[in-house]
Amino acid sequence: DTAVSQTPKYLVTQMGNDKSIKCEQNLGHDTMYWYKQDSKKFLKIMFSYNNKELIINETVPNRFSPKSPDKAHLNLHINSLELGDSAVYFCASSQVGLNTEAFFGQGTRLTVV
Amino acid sequence: TQLLEQSPQFLSIQEGENLTVYCNSSSVFSSLQWYRQEPGEGPVLLVTVVTGGEVKKLKRLTFQFGDARKDSSLHITAAQPGDTGLYLCATLRGGFQKLVFGTGTRLLVSP
Repeated sequence: DTAVSQTPKYLVTQMGNDKSIKCEQNLGHDTMYWYKQDSKKFLKIMFSYNNKELIINETVPNRFSPKSPDKAHLNLHINSLELGDSAVYFCASSQVGLNTEAFFGQGTRLTVV
Repeated sequence: TQLLEQSPQFLSIQEGENLTVYCNSSSVFSSLQWYRQEPGEGPVLLVTVVTGGEVKKLKRLTFQFGDARKDSSLHITAAQPGDTGLYLCATLRGGFQKLVFGTGTRLLVSP
């Protein structure tokens, strides 16, 4: 069983389109994240949800809207896609604490053309 | 300026060589983690260090947390091609709810 699964793995779309990425975790964790990894491999946090509530929003454009229907799911919807949105998006989950370990999905490679 | 600066950014070595990767900051941390990311995959936790001066070993990998808890190092002995990947240090901020990553070190070990 995959602990953190996200779909799709690859997404190619045109500028201006709207797309969604889905994420599910079966670890019973209370916190889920979205990260963006750019071409230089820098992993930057975008959002953090704790028990379905938004905890962290790291100055992400409001074209990006996360939604957590329950604590096992965190989806990311992106409106009006731009070329600069091309990146690998990772979903992760953890149980908050001093020795928190984050478990990551395999990533979604988004290419905007 | 990033919270966690890693060096070197890229390292290409031959199998059997030793190497050290550094993670530095001007801030003090309650804990620090090291992750490895292989191509096409998400990062996977290797170790968490909590106490200043702590040393942890994972087979050929040795992790050290600085005495002042501002920096950490990862030493690999007799590197193998399977060690190839992106090594990331990370720390928890904001009440343990925000995991922030370092700038990363890309390691390539050639046979």
